[in-house]
Amino acid sequence: EAGVAQSPRYKIIEKRQSVAFWCNPISGHATLYWYQQILGQGPKLLIQFQNNGVVDDSQLPKDRFSAERLKGVDSTLKIQPAKLEDSAVYLCASSLGIQGTEQYFGPGTRLTVT
Amino acid sequence: EDQVTQSPEALRLQEGESSSLNCSYTVSGLRGLFWYRQDPGKGPEFLFTLYSAGEEKEKERLKATLTKKESFLHITAPKPEDSATYLCAVVTGAGSYQLTFGKGTKLSVIP
Repeated sequence: EAGVAQSPRYKIIEKRQSVAFWCNPISGHATLYWYQQILGQGPKLLIQFQNNGVVDDSQLPKDRFSAERLKGVDSTLKIQPAKLEDSAVYLCASSLGIQGTEQYFGPGTRLTVT
Repeated sequence: EDQVTQSPEALRLQEGESSSLNCSYTVSGLRGLFWYRQDPGKGPEFLFTLYSAGEEKEKERLKATLTKKESFLHITAPKPEDSATYLCAVVTGAGSYQLTFGKGTKLSVIP
């Protein structure tokens, strides 16, 4: 079974630029999550999708972050404009149902904002 | 606000030296406690889910236990390949199944 795919794996941008990350969840998984993991911290949930609807985006900085999950499959997370404090690893995870007892994580995208 | 605290922050063990990692939590309405393993440059890998006090789960050299205020991850006779960061997370309340993670314990097992 193929795991959660993410791209790119690494990205370096200057502050005020924009960036987008892509995630393809495990086939058949209805729920998709985006997490931000700052160095030395645990992952923090940014947004949760159930199929193509948003379940929870309470911790998403909506003035600069946006996410979509077209057709309920893959998803894109965008940051515009980026700030220095956005430097982190962005992890995508998926689970079979909304009560995702087992969330499967992708390898993440390491973003560096200079 | 839900809080998850893991200790110690880092732990160095000799190969074969058993020990335990701690995850204490202050939450309202625990629905589940999760343990993940994270290797450098990779996403977290699911290990265990515990739902109620007294529950225990085992996998190879790892054993997770849960009380009303904390969880322990016991590592018996660790090997160098057990070196990783171990993350604890909780799910609480109703609605979205949001994982709230601790900062993790970085385990190093020395040959």
